[in-house]
Amino acid sequence: DAKTTQPPSMDCAEGRAANLPCNHSTISGNEYVYWYRQIHSQGPQYIIHGLKNNETNEMASLIITEDRKSSTLILPHATLRDTAVYYCIVRLTGANNLFFGTGTRLTVIP
Amino acid sequence: DAGITQSPRHKVTETGTPVTLRCHQTENHRYMYWYRQDPGHGLRLIHYSYGVKDTDKGEVSDGYSVSRSKTEDFLLTLESATSSQTSVYFCAISDPPANYGYTFGSGTRLTVV
Repeated sequence: DAKTTQPPSMDCAEGRAANLPCNHSTISGNEYVYWYRQIHSQGPQYIIHGLKNNETNEMASLIITEDRKSSTLILPHATLRDTAVYYCIVRLTGANNLFFGTGTRLTVIP
Repeated sequence: DAGITQSPRHKVTETGTPVTLRCHQTENHRYMYWYRQDPGHGLRLIHYSYGVKDTDKGEVSDGYSVSRSKTEDFLLTLESATSSQTSVYFCAISDPPANYGYTFGSGTRLTVV
């Protein structure tokens, strides 16, 4: 699985969009980009995933650059409950592991 | 999380004693996983299962064994607990190809003294 690089921490004002970047410059053509988050002392929670097209669901949007070397997770209206560590993971379909890095600690500020 | 429960939630045990952690799911998912989470290391895969009686090692499997005699239960055993196994243990399930996303349990905090 390709490695990812994320900033260690970010702040976002409540109600604003949170844009979390991820670099995955060595991603291969059949690797998906996954995002998970972990709220303090809970298990990680799946957010969204994509291959090359932008994706949106009820939680977030995922924007993947055309060359697929980076992506951005967008939380459109951050709330205090979105304070968590966000993990960007690239993974081959069918691979039997998710490699979690250290993620980005997002703090939503009132 | 709904559909996956871990027990116990907390446990303190002494060095050298055997410990078994249980993961139970009601989703009928084929894959089940055990991860541990430690400061500075993130989550690391211990063992996983792709069906009843079908298991394989992850990246940090030394000192751990697993069993899956039923689809819904995945047991993690520390044969002789050591202080280095003090950690938070998470179970996860997935059901490819219908669902590649993982659902995680709430975790078991294990302290070995």
